[in-house]
Amino acid sequence: AIQLTQSPSSLSAVVGDRVTITCRASQGIGSDLAWYQQKPGKAPKVLIFDASKLGGGVPLRFSGSGSGTDFTLTISSLQPEDFATYYCQQFKTYPLTFGGGTKVEIK
Amino acid sequence: QVQLQESGPRLVKPSETLSLTCTVSGGSVSSGNYYWSWIRQPPGKGLEWIGYIYYSGSTNYNPSLRSRVTISADTSKNQFSLRLTSVTAADTAVYYCAKEAMAVTGLFDSWGQGTLVTVSS
Repeated sequence: AIQLTQSPSSLSAVVGDRVTITCRASQGIGSDLAWYQQKPGKAPKVLIFDASKLGGGVPLRFSGSGSGTDFTLTISSLQPEDFATYYCQQFKTYPLTFGGGTKVEIK
Repeated sequence: QVQLQESGPRLVKPSETLSLTCTVSGGSVSSGNYYWSWIRQPPGKGLEWIGYIYYSGSTNYNPSLRSRVTISADTSKNQFSLRLTSVTAADTAVYYCAKEAMAVTGLFDSWGQGTLVTVSS
């Protein structure tokens, strides 16, 4: 199975900060990567797919980049509603796998 | 807009079988080229894909759980189900049912709200 390693596992930030989260795949996956946001007690929601395409209704402050094994999720200006846990997920091959998550907390 | 809702026992004893059902509305489990998946999340931990059933009835399971998992569908009720045998405390998790996007296989664009299943005697 393809392993996804996210870093950092958690971070503290203030409203307005630029936040960057990375995801590294154990083997090349092209652009077959998605990013999800999960809030406590809720199901994950798609933010980015195909590494850089914005999901429906997702604010423009979210962006994704990368291909192959290294990927990045960026929030250009953190908003109060963005405090959550973020997961990357590869859909290159089955079994589908997720990163360990990055919790974005209020500083 | 497809909606999914999990149901089933919230407490299962060790060594017994966990059974959950996902009821689908706004879409059909037997048409549309969709993959219908189960995903779980232990408390405070990350997400694990369990497996899917395709609209045709074919299935695919995570090798880590393959020996214990069965996913099936009841097209008359527009539901699909998960059976996980010989459970232990490590199977305690929130279980989600989800639909993969038609245009992007493997991308989950619709999720149920999730149901916490606890394995305990």
